[in-house]
Amino acid sequence: AQSVTQLDSQVPVFEEAPVELRCNYSSSVSVYLFWYVQYPNQGLQLLLKYLSGSTLVKGINGFEAEFNKSQTSFHLRKPSVHISDTAEYFCAVSLYNTDKLIFGTGTRLQVFP
Amino acid sequence: ETGVTQTPRHLVMGMTNKKSLKCEQHLGHNAMYWYKQSAKKPLELMFVYSLEERVENNSVPSRFSPECPNSSHLFLHLHTLQPEDSALYLCASSQEIANGYNEQFFGPGTRLTVL
Repeated sequence: AQSVTQLDSQVPVFEEAPVELRCNYSSSVSVYLFWYVQYPNQGLQLLLKYLSGSTLVKGINGFEAEFNKSQTSFHLRKPSVHISDTAEYFCAVSLYNTDKLIFGTGTRLQVFP
Repeated sequence: ETGVTQTPRHLVMGMTNKKSLKCEQHLGHNAMYWYKQSAKKPLELMFVYSLEERVENNSVPSRFSPECPNSSHLFLHLHTLQPEDSALYLCASSQEIANGYNEQFFGPGTRLTVL
C-alpha cells in the first residue's frame, strides 16, 4: 500500500527566510508526486508535480521540489517566503494508471512579518 | 463561473435532516470526485465518477449518497448524519481517470457541521 508522510504539522518562519516542507512516501511501485496548497477558505490548488525526467521541479509562486528516489522524498522549498505564502501544504502521490491521489496530513506554513 | 464551484459553502444540519451538496465544474472534464477533509487527517477520497458512472466507492457509509446526472454536475445527498461527519467536503474534477498524472482541480468546499 502507498502512504505519504509529512512529518511537520506546522512550520513557522519569518518573512524572506527560506523554507523547506518535508514529504516522504512509501510505495512498492512507481508513483507520480504532487504538492498542493490550500489557502484559507479555499480548495486545493496544484503547486507543482513530478512525473518523470529532471528531479528538480519548479512550480508556481517561486516554489520548487526535488524528487529523491533513494530517500523516497519530495521536499518542497522556497528561498524567500512572503506573508501571502501562509497556507496549508499537502504532498500527494498517485500510481500510474489510477485515479487515486493519496494525501499526507498537511503542513501548515505560518509566515510572520 | 470558472473552475469548480460548490454550494452551499457552509451547512449546519441536525442528525435527522436531509440535505444535498452541489458541485459544478466548468472545465469540460470527464472525472469528478468527492473528498472529506477532517482536521489532522489526510484527505479521504469518498467517490469517483467517470463520465457519469461511479467507478469508486471507498467504503463510505450509506448515509452519504452521490449522484452524477451529467459530467458537469455532482451531488452528495446527506441523511441521518452523525456529529463525526462534520468536516470540509471537497469536490474535484480532472480531465479523465486512469491517468495518474492528471491534475485534479478542487472547489472551495462545503463546511458541514452536524449537530
